[in-house]
Amino acid sequence: GEDVEQSLFLSVREGDSSVINCTYTDSSSTYLYWYKQEPGAGLQLLTYIFSNMDMKQDQRLTVLLNKKDKHLSLRIADTQTGDSAIYFCAESRSSASKIIFGSGTRLSIRP
Amino acid sequence: GAVVSQHPSRVICKSGTSVKIECRSLDFQATTMFWYRQFPKQSLMLMATSNEGSKATYEQGVEKDKFLINHASLTLSTLTVTSAHPEDSSFYICSARDPGTGLMNTEAFFGQGTRLTVV
Repeated sequence: GEDVEQSLFLSVREGDSSVINCTYTDSSSTYLYWYKQEPGAGLQLLTYIFSNMDMKQDQRLTVLLNKKDKHLSLRIADTQTGDSAIYFCAESRSSASKIIFGSGTRLSIRP
Repeated sequence: GAVVSQHPSRVICKSGTSVKIECRSLDFQATTMFWYRQFPKQSLMLMATSNEGSKATYEQGVEKDKFLINHASLTLSTLTVTSAHPEDSSFYICSARDPGTGLMNTEAFFGQGTRLTVV
């Protein structure tokens, strides 16, 4: 089946790195995504990674994929107050298929 | 980038009435759109896949007679919540993929969501 799991909350100090973890069950997952949702807003794609990759870096964002363990992580370097949001891990089997979301991790930043 | 527009952004309706939510792809044609429901502080649950010119594919547990989906054109899908009840109050979000964006055709674009309150 398709299941994506994340921890619900993460609190980090401003300027530190945030690491949000995710596990998934579908071995046919080909595309893995991280989305950001700010309060009362829709979803913003932050980054994605193909299942044949193990790392992707995009400015302050680093995605690590351990396909064997079906574990995905998102690292945000130098976390800022504007990074406060809910971060969703998601997967899909193909570029045209449905996207299955995790429960979301609420990231809060403390001064 | 591609834009998906959802309307209305907020709606309040009385129990027993029906509400229609529109999802439009503004600068691309979407043969497939997806409808999600998000409960407060929870994840997005896929309700159905809307296919242009054919019947929608509903996820297990979603009542197709209650949540009517129509995808009459390549740029418009509608979700109608029929005989709404307070428990249908939720945040509904649509999504569409732009098949013409090359490498980035993995990106699904999301509408801004519709907050439905049934009183």
